[in-house]
Amino acid sequence: AQSVAQPEDQVNVAEGNPLTVKCTYSVSGNPYLFWYVQYPNRGLQFLLKYITGDNLVKGSYGFESEFNKSQTSFHLKKPSALVSDSALYFCAVRDSGNTGGFKTIFGAGTRLFVKA
Amino acid sequence: EADIYQTPRYLVIGTGKKITLECSQTMGHDKMYWYQQDPGMELHLIHYSYGVNSTEKGDLSSESTVSRIRTEHFPLTLESARPSHTSQYLCASSELGSGGDQYFGPGTRLTVT
Repeated sequence: AQSVAQPEDQVNVAEGNPLTVKCTYSVSGNPYLFWYVQYPNRGLQFLLKYITGDNLVKGSYGFESEFNKSQTSFHLKKPSALVSDSALYFCAVRDSGNTGGFKTIFGAGTRLFVKA
Repeated sequence: EADIYQTPRYLVIGTGKKITLECSQTMGHDKMYWYQQDPGMELHLIHYSYGVNSTEKGDLSSESTVSRIRTEHFPLTLESARPSHTSQYLCASSELGSGGDQYFGPGTRLTVT
């Protein structure tokens, strides 16, 4: 069975500082990994994904994430946080093998607060 | 412009009423999904579809039903709304390949009084 965990309900960071939002996953096959962001009263927006290839993935708005197979992690990072980055962030995983089906499992979400 | 639309954005309705939440996408995606999300909380998959005439139940049991008569349209229906149905409903679509990311609509916030 596939699962994804976001261990922090909330992350607080000062503007200009680096930010990290943590995500770990569990799949039986090879993972497809995704990050989405949700602003208030909006749907989710795709940020970045890892399918195959280079472990370091760069996405929208200056975000990046590194696929770490040994630690089964896919933390979201940004070198310098902006107040406008404040939102709810979801990590998601899909098992690339047929046994996992094509359903995407979303984490519980991490609320990021960036203080000016 | 390729996009995914949901109507209505907000709906307040009385108990026992039948409602249909609309979802349409213009990207030609085969796969479509409905998620239920309490505000600021995790997403729960309630229905999905691989294409026309394909519908499957998701991980969270739901009293709603869906249909997929056209590729671009994936409406969700509640035959008799109850206060426990109060939530936000998000529609999404993706390409058929398993590596496709999902495109989400803006959501419908439903309140049943």
